[in-house]
Amino acid sequence: QVQLQESGPGLVKPSQTLSLTCTVSSGSISSGGHHWTWIRQHPGKGLEWIGHIIYSGSASYNPSLMSRTTISIDRFKNRFSLRLTSVTAADTAVYYCARADYGGPGHDVSDIWGHGTTVIVSS
Amino acid sequence: DIQMTQSPSSVSASVGDRVTLTCRASQNIADWLAWYQQRPGEAPRLLIYAATTLHSGVPSRFTGGGSGTDFTLTINSLQPDDFATYYCQQASSFPLTFGGGTKVELK
Repeated sequence: QVQLQESGPGLVKPSQTLSLTCTVSSGSISSGGHHWTWIRQHPGKGLEWIGHIIYSGSASYNPSLMSRTTISIDRFKNRFSLRLTSVTAADTAVYYCARADYGGPGHDVSDIWGHGTTVIVSS
Repeated sequence: DIQMTQSPSSVSASVGDRVTLTCRASQNIADWLAWYQQRPGEAPRLLIYAATTLHSGVPSRFTGGGSGTDFTLTINSLQPDDFATYYCQQASSFPLTFGGGTKVELK
């Protein structure tokens, strides 16, 4: 069973860059047919889709975050990453990585999730 | 963006009850709808996709319905593990969007 694990700093200063990595185990990120996805959840709130990437490196982003977001993929290390620049307190959230199917009835539905990592933006 | 509205925001129920949660999309999304369950401190868990298809390993007491703009998630015979927050998500167009959630609480 494929597993995902987020890693990265839990505290980021305002105006700096948030960087997280999601490591994929028990499966290959290069196998195709999946969107490797980042989703966040503000404290006590609902879920917000940040964006996703496919094995070729092609990425899609939420327009509300697109100007500050970069998602990249490292097929050799079997992981993908999120960079969010110029962070503010409004970026404080639990960040999840997830796997979604590409195509078919489960298209863009996240069937496997990491446990999530809390990022606090504060000086 | 497609807005997803869930109702009610919370519901109180007892073990063994049947509850029906509602999700409405701001435009037609055909059957591109998923439901997730989230327990406190945990990641969301996929329950249903394509509006009515039960994800592997999910108990059959969960049933999804609807198409177009109006959708339902019914939980038959609530079990203790089912007290959680439920989110719908549209997969029709980018950006993918989620509803605000419905919390199922113990009466």
